[in-house]
Parts: sequence; C-alpha cells; structure tokens
Amino acid sequence: DAGVTQSPTHLIKTRGQQVTLRCSPKSGHDTVSWYQQALGQGPQFIFQYYEEEERQRGNFPDRFSGHQFPNYSSELNVNALLLGDSALYLCASSPPGQLNIYGYTFGSGTRLTVV
Amino acid sequence: QKEVEQNSGPLSVPEGAIASLNCTYSDRGSQSFFWYRQYSGKSPELIMSIYSNGDKEDGRFTAQLNKASQYVSLLIRDSQPSDSATYLCAVYSSASKIIFGSGTRLSIRP
Repeated sequence: DAGVTQSPTHLIKTRGQQVTLRCSPKSGHDTVSWYQQALGQGPQFIFQYYEEEERQRGNFPDRFSGHQFPNYSSELNVNALLLGDSALYLCASSPPGQLNIYGYTFGSGTRLTVV
Repeated sequence: QKEVEQNSGPLSVPEGAIASLNCTYSDRGSQSFFWYRQYSGKSPELIMSIYSNGDKEDGRFTAQLNKASQYVSLLIRDSQPSDSATYLCAVYSSASKIIFGSGTRLSIRP
C-alpha cells in the first residue's frame, strides 16, 4: 500500500520564478494538507483541501495556491518565488472525516531551494 | 502567544533513562493531540495520539494530557540512541486543522 507520494524530491528555482509541487495521498485518504517547514522550525500550515476545495488556510500570501483533483491528488503552486520560500514542503493526507482521530500521514517532502 | 509551544532543546538524556518532552497549547477547544518524530532530513512520523485527560501508553512511549492546564507531554522510557530525533507536538484545533509546535530536539547519549 503506497503511502503519500510527493514529487519532485528536490528542486532549485530562481527568485521570481514559479513552481508546482505534486502530491498523491495515501490510498483511502481524501483530505490533503500542505505544510512548509523551514530549517529548525516546525511545519507551518499552508492550506487544506477536501472535496476539491480549499477548506482551511494558514497565514500564507496569495502567491501560494493549490488544487485538488477528483482522484484526491493535489498540487501546490508558488508564484514569484522569494529566497524565504526555501524550505521543505510537506504534503499530508488523512482518512475521510478522521483527521481528529488519526492525524496526518506525511509524504517524504519536496526540498525547494530558491537562489 | 504561539498556538503550540515546545522547548526547542536540545534535550540530552543518557541511554536507558526517561526522556520527558513537554508541550502547551492555547486553544481550549482543541480536541486531539499528537506526537510526531522527525529524523534529520526526513518527514514527520506519527508515534502517539491522545484525546482524553490522563495517560496513554504504547510500548516505551507514554503520552499525558491535561486539558485544564492545556498541557501535553511525552515520556520515552529506556531511551535508545535511535530515539535521537526532533519531536513535534501537534494539536487538532477547534478550527479543524492541525497545528504543530516548533519541535524539541532530543539527543540520547550512550
């Protein structure tokens, strides 16, 4: 049973560029959230997707946007990249209606470096 | 005030001893509490969850919850070098999202 898969694993982008990160949730999971984790910090909540809609959003600018597809997979898009966007981006998924019970299963992350 | 607060450490504990990790949270409506372990360069892995006041034991791990004091803790008994990692406290808030603390770095010395 495949867990949460993310691609790519590593990415180097230039300031001002745009990036798209992809995530496939664990089988049977329908809720997907994205987190940003800077070095030495805890994961910061970006947004949560459920039924193809953004349900919750953290304190991130509109440069961060996302999408969820009918098969529950998700994309995170970041426009006009800044040096401060360099971080580990984590995708996490949860079973239907059970986030409060089972928490999240995390993917291995995408390490984004902005130069 | 941060929503979830942890001592960043590092916390150094001798092998075989008990490691005690603490966490406080600000949202009184929080329902569920989780501890994740994160090895350097890896993603977080869920190790414990707790929903009711009191203790919950799973092998060498014990989670403790006190909702009145808004306090969660994780005890690791018989600490092993493989327990050296960052431990993240996470809270399922009244806003239906999971918020993480900044993590406590634990080092088990042989």
